[in-house]
Amino acid sequence: KQEVTQIPAALSVPEGENLVLNCSFTDSAIYNLQWFRQDPGKGLTSLLLIQSSQREQTSGRLNASLDKSSGRSTLYIAASQPGDSATYLCAVKDSGYSTLTFGKGTMLLVSP
Amino acid sequence: SAVISQKPSRDICQRGTSLTIQCQVDSQVTMMFWYRQQPGQSLTLIATANQGSEATYESGFVIDKFPISRPNLTFSTLTVSNMSPEDSSIYLCSVDRDAHGYTFGSGTRLTVV
Repeated sequence: KQEVTQIPAALSVPEGENLVLNCSFTDSAIYNLQWFRQDPGKGLTSLLLIQSSQREQTSGRLNASLDKSSGRSTLYIAASQPGDSATYLCAVKDSGYSTLTFGKGTMLLVSP
Repeated sequence: SAVISQKPSRDICQRGTSLTIQCQVDSQVTMMFWYRQQPGQSLTLIATANQGSEATYESGFVIDKFPISRPNLTFSTLTVSNMSPEDSSIYLCSVDRDAHGYTFGSGTRLTVV
């Protein structure tokens, strides 16, 4: 059974810092990996999707990498802003399955 | 990517009552997924809803408690029945756009008092 772990559980940084969120998964036979953002009490917003054949994806200040063989992904946020404050969730879709397995998330607080 | 309209966005309900949550997708999809997120927790899959057949429920979730309808390829409802305070959660619907990944509705924040 796939298990997804996110480290750290919470992170507090001053505005302007570059930061890295980590995600690890136990079964490397994945189809893709997706990073989401969730604001308190709200739904999920997709940030980046990495297919199993890809190594990284970039969108603006966000860069996500994938090392499938080691079961790891990182989300890099450059020049953090207070508006980046949210919970970031990593989710894995296994090969041959339709559903996602989620990590517990990293709660990020960026202070002005 | 797909756009999903989910409603209500939030509700406060009395214990013992039921609430039906609706999700409308802007294009046809084969499967729709319903998730629950309990306070401080990550997302847990409740069931997968296919059009024209009964939903497939995950371990720990039963049809009598969470009946699901899927009358067509763009719409689904989830009912939370005979609610108790333990049902207080965020409920989310989603669709899988394969190469474009998953898209989620805006969520329904349910409080049972």
